[in-house]
Amino acid sequence: EVQLVESGGGLVQPGGSLRLSCAASGFTFSNSWMHWVRQAPGKGLVWVSRINSDGTRTTYADSVKGRFTISRDNAKRTLYLQMNSLRDEDTAVYYCASAGIPYFDWTYDFWGQGMLVTVSS
Amino acid sequence: QSVLTQPPSVSGAPGQRVTISCTGSSSNIGAGYDIHWYQQLPGTAPKLLIYGYTNRPSGVPDRFSGSKSGTSASLAITGLQAEDEADYYCQSYDSSLRGSVFGGGTKLTVL
Repeated sequence: EVQLVESGGGLVQPGGSLRLSCAASGFTFSNSWMHWVRQAPGKGLVWVSRINSDGTRTTYADSVKGRFTISRDNAKRTLYLQMNSLRDEDTAVYYCASAGIPYFDWTYDFWGQGMLVTVSS
Repeated sequence: QSVLTQPPSVSGAPGQRVTISCTGSSSNIGAGYDIHWYQQLPGTAPKLLIYGYTNRPSGVPDRFSGSKSGTSASLAITGLQAEDEADYYCQSYDSSLRGSVFGGGTKLTVL
C-alpha cells in the first residue's frame, strides 16, 4: 500500500522558517518525481514545487521562488520542503504528492494526508 | 482567478448524470497538455480520478469518465451517488507559468 506521511507543520511567525517532511512507502520512491501542493483554508489547490527522481532538478511556483527549497533523500525515502521568510499568505495545508505514472510527470497519483502550516503573529 | 476555469458548483439527484467543465487556454489545454481530474471528499486529501483526459486509475468506478473538446475538458459522473458529494478539480501543465495549474474547483451537491 502506498503511503505518504507528512510531518513538521505548525504555527510560525511571519518571517520565520519551517521544514516539512514527507515519508514515502509502498512504491519505488527513487524512481518517482515528487511535488508539493498547498491549499489555503477554504480555497483551491495550488502547486508549489517539484523535484525529479534523483534530486538534481527542481521547479518552483513564482509565489515561493527564492524562499522555499525542495529536496529529497532517496536512501531515507523522504521528501522535504524548507520554507523560509514565511508570509501570512503561506498559511495552508501542504500536501506531498507523487507523480508515478509513466509519461505523466505532472499527474499526482498519490497524496499525503496533508500538514497544516499557520503563519501568524 | 484560476488559470483553468470550472463552474463553482453543480448538483444532481441520485442516479442522474452531471458534467463538470474545465476551460483552459493556448498555454495549457490548447498547447496539447493533458487534463487530469481529482476528487476531494470533505476533510480529506485529493484523489486522482482521471488522468490524460480519459484514463481511470485502478479502483475508480467507470461511472466517472473524462473527455476533451478543443481547449476544454469535461468530467462526467453517471448514476450519481450520495458518496460522490465532494469538490472536483481539473489540473494541467501551463507552458507560460512553467508549472502545474489547477481549476478553482467545483462543489458537487447530491440532492
